[in-house]
Amino acid sequence: DTAVSQTPKYLVTQMGNDKSIKCEQNLGHDTMYWYKQDSKKFLKIMFSYNNKELIINETVPNRFSPKSPDKAHLNLHINSLELGDSAVYFCASSQDLRQPGYGYTFGSGTRLTVV
Amino acid sequence: GQNIDQPTEMTATEGAIVQINCTYQTSGFNGLFWYQQHAGEAPTFLSYNVLDGLEEKGRFSSFLSRSKGYSYLLLKELQMKDSASYLCAVRDYSGGYQKVTFGTGTKLQVIP
Repeated sequence: DTAVSQTPKYLVTQMGNDKSIKCEQNLGHDTMYWYKQDSKKFLKIMFSYNNKELIINETVPNRFSPKSPDKAHLNLHINSLELGDSAVYFCASSQDLRQPGYGYTFGSGTRLTVV
Repeated sequence: GQNIDQPTEMTATEGAIVQINCTYQTSGFNGLFWYQQHAGEAPTFLSYNVLDGLEEKGRFSSFLSRSKGYSYLLLKELQMKDSASYLCAVRDYSGGYQKVTFGTGTKLQVIP
């Protein structure tokens, strides 16, 4: 049973295209996240949703739009892809953030390559 | 905002002990995590500290000093499979909600 699953695992696309990455968690967690890990392996938060409500929206180009149809799903849509968007995108989930001690469970990542 | 510092790379010998340090500066501190990430894989949760002191979990221990803004991850009886990046992450209150920010990670290489 995969706890946090994201698709696709690899995505190669041309500049200017629009693409989506999907994420689903079956842990019953309340909060989901998108992180971007660049070539230097720096893991940076992009968005966070708690029970379908956007709670964290870091300084990310508005070409990136998250959508959470329910608390088990958080998708990421990217418009007009640019070379600099190439990175590994990780979805993660956690129990209610007010509960201490809960770490994140990460998905396996989507390696996006823009050519 | 947060400022999290950890060494970029470390090398240690199989069977030895290694300590990976992390210093941070933040307001509204609400916990520190350590994650392990093997190359090409997702980070996995190792430990969590919110109070001062040492938390031990098998071969891995994590220490926190809130007054010094300092933590370390101690790995004992190193194995080759421990070669990975170790990410320090700090949770704090930011803009009315809790947020976890990751450091840049320490790449540990275990050699025979």
